[in-house]
Amino acid sequence: EVQLVESGGGLVQPGGSLRLSCAVSGFTFSNHWMSWVRQAPGKGLEWVANIKKDGSEKYYVDSVKARFTISRDNAKDSLYLQMSSLRADDTAVYYCARVPAGAVAGHFDYWGQGTLVTVSS
Amino acid sequence: EIVLTQSPATLSLSPGERATLSCRASQSVSSYLAWYQQKPGQAPKLLIYDASHRATGIPARFSGSGSGTDFTLTISSLEPEDFAVYYCQHRSNWPPTFGQGTRLEIK
Repeated sequence: EVQLVESGGGLVQPGGSLRLSCAVSGFTFSNHWMSWVRQAPGKGLEWVANIKKDGSEKYYVDSVKARFTISRDNAKDSLYLQMSSLRADDTAVYYCARVPAGAVAGHFDYWGQGTLVTVSS
Repeated sequence: EIVLTQSPATLSLSPGERATLSCRASQSVSSYLAWYQQKPGQAPKLLIYDASHRATGIPARFSGSGSGTDFTLTISSLEPEDFAVYYCQHRSNWPPTFGQGTRLEIK
């Protein structure tokens, strides 16, 4: 069974940093591009970042470029999102999502349950 | 950035009725369009990918059609568990974007 489990969310002050993790199981992690997608409270979905199977390519939505870094450890079957210079509009549930094998800027066939990040003083 | 516009914003129907949801792209996305269902407090669930292909385990009452800029998600006969928010999403280029969602509510 494919599982994605996020952790690391919480309350952080504006300008602060946070690192999200996503532990996966049930599939060969190194065969898939992976993504982070977020959803502000009561709002729609926003793609945040993608990372290639081997970590050699990364893409970001403009609003997080230079502030967020996506990374992965294929030996640990884990995906990460390092967030810095956090702003109130970064407040959202952050989902880890799998891109199907063979796709790059793909759709997302499996999702974690999400972790809530709240940026507030 | 490609903008996806979903209509209507809210659709009120009864169980057993047919639902038709629309997604229009600001430029062609070929057939690179997916549909998701999201229920309160849950992660989105992939329903349809590449415009018309049902994801694993998705019932046959869900179908997708369209290409280029105009797409439709059809639910042939609504079940009680189908009332949720539906999003479309393209993967034609960077960045992949989502529509704003259609809320399907019980009439």
